[in-house]
Amino acid sequence: GENVEQHPSTLSVQEGDSAVIKCTYSDSASNYFPWYKQELGKGPQLIIDIRSNVGEKKDQRIAVTLNKTAKHFSLHITETQPEDSAVYFCAASPYNTNAGKSTFGDGTTLTVKP
Amino acid sequence: KAGVTQTPRYLIKTRGQQVTLSCSPISGHRSVSWYQQTPGQGLQFLFEYFSETQRNKGNFPGRFSGRQFSNSRSEMNVSTLELGDSALYLCASSLGGVGGELFFGEGSRLTVL
Repeated sequence: GENVEQHPSTLSVQEGDSAVIKCTYSDSASNYFPWYKQELGKGPQLIIDIRSNVGEKKDQRIAVTLNKTAKHFSLHITETQPEDSAVYFCAASPYNTNAGKSTFGDGTTLTVKP
Repeated sequence: KAGVTQTPRYLIKTRGQQVTLSCSPISGHRSVSWYQQTPGQGLQFLFEYFSETQRNKGNFPGRFSGRQFSNSRSEMNVSTLELGDSALYLCASSLGGVGGELFFGEGSRLTVL
């Protein structure tokens, strides 16, 4: 089955700096890669996703890059703000099946210091 | 539009008991997935239901079971509780087609004493 590894497990940055979280996956059949943000006491919420036919996707301060050859994808947050502090999860699933069964990384706790 | 609703939000049980958790998906969503979240373990997939049928199953023992009703609401049951079952149980709904976003509830936090 699919295995997703996520690094780092914790990340602390100063407000205004950039943050990068990296994930690797094992199953070459995976072609849908979402990123979720989980705030304290809440369920994860999708912040950005990318499909395998795209190498990069950007949404304001958030971007995701995908390298299918190396089987890794990364989340980039620029100009970080204190409200970006949360746990971030990457996930992978085959797009030609339902997203209900997704394999998640173990999460990265991001702390943005004011 | 109402989000995914999970009940109860918190519960405490003792070893050997059983528990039933409920999930009401977003209106129109036919897929409901369940995940177990523990510190340092990320989200572990339990099972997924679509149109009242279990479509996918994770690697959990048979003590974990679920079902989905005709209105797409879902329940999961854990029998003979063990201390290691203490976790946040998250429900996620989606339209059920290929790929796509999962919409998570806030979870049910189970503590087993």
